[in-house]
Amino acid sequence: KAGVTQTPRYLIKTRGQQVTLSCSPISGHRSVSWYQQTPGQGLQFLFEYFSETQRNKGNFPGRFSGRQFSNSRSEMNVSTLELGDSALYLCASTTGGDLPNEKLFFGSGTQLSVL
Amino acid sequence: AQSVTQPDIHITVSEGASLELRCNYSYGATPYLFWYVQSPGQGLQLLLKYFSGDTLVQGIKGFEAEFKRSQSSFNLRKPSVHWSDAAEYFCAVGFFGNEKLTFGTGTRLTIIP
Repeated sequence: KAGVTQTPRYLIKTRGQQVTLSCSPISGHRSVSWYQQTPGQGLQFLFEYFSETQRNKGNFPGRFSGRQFSNSRSEMNVSTLELGDSALYLCASTTGGDLPNEKLFFGSGTQLSVL
Repeated sequence: AQSVTQPDIHITVSEGASLELRCNYSYGATPYLFWYVQSPGQGLQLLLKYFSGDTLVQGIKGFEAEFKRSQSSFNLRKPSVHWSDAAEYFCAVGFFGNEKLTFGTGTRLTIIP
């Protein structure tokens, strides 16, 4: 069974640009969560989608948005990039059940550098 | 304030020695507790989790963790580390009905021969 796939692996953008990251969950998984990982802040929850609906949202500005398609693939978009958006963006998938009974499978992440 | 804390940023251990990584939480209710490991250039892998029952939890790769309610702690242990255990370890908490996990800032583990 293929794991969680994130593309691209690396991305370099300049301030003010926008970027779209992609995440393909494990086959059969309907929930996709996104996390931002930085050396200073650690991992912070961005949002979670289940069956094309956002179920949970973290404390990030509106420049960060996401969506999920009918095949459960998810995209995350960041508009008007700032230097502080440089981070490793991780997505994780589950079947969508209750957290204690679920196991999050993480992708290897997209490393975004904003210059 | 609600938080999950990993007091040790970096730990160095000799190969074959025992290991304990600390995790403390501060929440009104007892959360679900997780330990994840991240190898360089990789995503996170679940080592073990606790949400009820036996307070000593066994995980993969020979790791175990003990939940201590009185100390609000969930420390990760391994009796004998291997060079392949070098990685970053994250403690995380979650709550029923909420898919969000809150992570500690991580502990980087270095293994020396």
